Parts: sequence; structure tokens; C-alpha cells
Amino acid sequence: SQKIEQNSEALNIQEGKTATLTCNYTNYSPAYLQWYRQDPGRGPVFLLLIRENEKEKRKERLKVTFDTTLKQSLFHITASQPADSATYLCALPHNQAGTALIFGKGTTLSVSS
Amino acid sequence: NAGVMQNPRHLVRRRGQEARLRCSPMKGHSHVYWYRQLPEEGLKFMVYLQKENIIDESGMPKERFSAEFPKEGPSILRIQQVVRGDSAAYFCASSSLQGASKQETQYFGPGTRLLVL
Repeated sequence: SQKIEQNSEALNIQEGKTATLTCNYTNYSPAYLQWYRQDPGRGPVFLLLIRENEKEKRKERLKVTFDTTLKQSLFHITASQPADSATYLCALPHNQAGTALIFGKGTTLSVSS
Repeated sequence: NAGVMQNPRHLVRRRGQEARLRCSPMKGHSHVYWYRQLPEEGLKFMVYLQKENIIDESGMPKERFSAEFPKEGPSILRIQQVVRGDSAAYFCASSSLQGASKQETQYFGPGTRLLVL
């Protein structure tokens, strides 16, 4: 079965720096991969989706890459701000035929001013 | 323009009681997913429903748990004879699968936090 690993549970960076979060999966390459943000006590909020035939996707200060050879996605936040502090979740389809998602445990980002 | 709504937001039950969690999807969405998040754990898929049909329940415990999404009204996740291990946050998400594409975003509700005493 598919497994997801997010590189670290916590990441602390200074305001203005670029945060880079890693998501690795172990099994088949998914048709797409998604990143979500979750704040304490709230539900996840969709950020970006990248498809298997896309190398890179951008949205404002966010950038996602998808390397099916390495079975890895990188999630970058440039010019980070304290308001970016949250837990970021990587998600994939839980099987090759479905749309339900499996999630990594998340990386908690703290941006200090 | 309401997003996904879940109620109650917090639910306290004693062991052996029943818990009913409700989810109203976003307007126009006919696909509902339920996930469970245990403390210090990631979100775990439980069940995927369309109106009046269970599409995928591979993540649902075989006993005590059931889900429905009737033609009218919200989706319900029902847990019978709750045990302390059922204490978790339960999230509902909805999506709209447009055309032949299955690559759609899921919109999450705020969750129901179940505490079993």
C-alpha cells in the first residue's frame, strides 16, 4: 500500500527566508499530489495540486515540484511570514483507481519574526 | 456561500453510547469523504460516499461504524457503542467531480471533536 513520509515533524525558520518541505512516497506514482495547510483546531485547506506530467506548479509565494523518479515532492514558501506558521500536509490518492486521499503526518512550520 | 459544515463541533459521549456526526457538503457537491485524525497521527481515510451510495469504505472499521449520504439531508457518520479509542477529530470533505476528471480538490469542514469518557 502507498505510504507517505514528510521529512520532518517541525521546521523553524526566520521571516523572509524560504521554507522547503519534503514529501516522499513509497509505492506507485500517483496521478497527482496535493498540499494542504492545517491550522490548530481547523480542517485542512487546499493549497496546490500538481499532476504527474507537471514538474512544477506555482501560486503566489508557493511552489511545488513533483519528481516521479525520486518519488518526491518539494513544497516551497518564499519570503515566509509569521502568518505562514501552520502544519502542511502532503496528500495522494489512496489507490490508483480512487479519489480518496492518504495524508502524511505533516510538517509543522514556525516562522519567527 | 457556506463551505462544508459539520455538526456538532464537539461531542462528548460515555463508553457504550452512540455518536452521530453530520456533514453538509458544499453547495453543488455530491461527493463526501470522511477522515479521522487521532492525536499525533495523520488524517486517515474512512469512507467515500456519493448520494445514496457508498463508493469506498476500505478505511472504515468493520464493526460499530457506519456511514450514509441520503438523497436529502446531510451525510451521517455513526459510531455505535463508542470506546475511548474512538476519541479523535472526524473531518468531512466534499468534492465535485467534473466530467471525466477525478483530480479534484477536496474541501474540508471544521471537524467534529469526539471525546469518549
